[in-house]
Amino acid sequence: NAGVTQTPKFQVLKTGQSMTLQCAQDMNHNSMYWYRQDPGMGLRLIYYSASEGTTDKGEVPNGYNVSRLNKREFSLRLESAAPSQTSVYFCASSDGAWNQPQHFGDGTRLSIL
Amino acid sequence: TQLLEQSPQFLSIQEGENLTVYCNSSSVFSSLQWYRQEPGEGPVLLVTVVTGGEVKKLKRLTFQFGDARKDSSLHITAAQPGDTGLYLCAGAGAGGTSYGKLTFGQGTILTVHP
Repeated sequence: NAGVTQTPKFQVLKTGQSMTLQCAQDMNHNSMYWYRQDPGMGLRLIYYSASEGTTDKGEVPNGYNVSRLNKREFSLRLESAAPSQTSVYFCASSDGAWNQPQHFGDGTRLSIL
Repeated sequence: TQLLEQSPQFLSIQEGENLTVYCNSSSVFSSLQWYRQEPGEGPVLLVTVVTGGEVKKLKRLTFQFGDARKDSSLHITAAQPGDTGLYLCAGAGAGGTSYGKLTFGQGTILTVHP
């Protein structure tokens, strides 16, 4: 009963390095989302994908890119990491309806030195 | 941009006490969801309220959606240490372009002491 799987769970980067956070869901959901969580700020939407083949910016997209590889997978890329991107990143999926819940992975804890 | 103001940000109480967490906005939401998050894990849905004035109960937790669908509250009766965690409210927009996007409040960190 995997649900939403995120890799890696932890990562330390140096400023300027790049990396890709991976996310996969096995619930056949249409929509997928990437959030960052910082203390006192709840969850902020970075990018979302309403359906396979589409992606759109959320509230805080600067410094990030995404790829919806197929219906199951949605990756988040940091091209040139900055200390301000130190955060916990969560991937989520839903069937896209307004009254349906989002299902979250366990997060990736990213530190940028 | 829709905003959700959640209060209080921190709540530290003794076992057996009652508490209420509030979620307020100037925007109307189609639905309001409440999530609970444990350390090291992602948020997990507790309840969804969709009708203005709706009240839902989940054991000792009571959720209410405001009549105008702009605010919501979570009331816990006789809190227990197992209720400790981060509580998040999240509002969903209406219409075909919402794609299930949610606006989250800042969260309430609840600590219940034995």
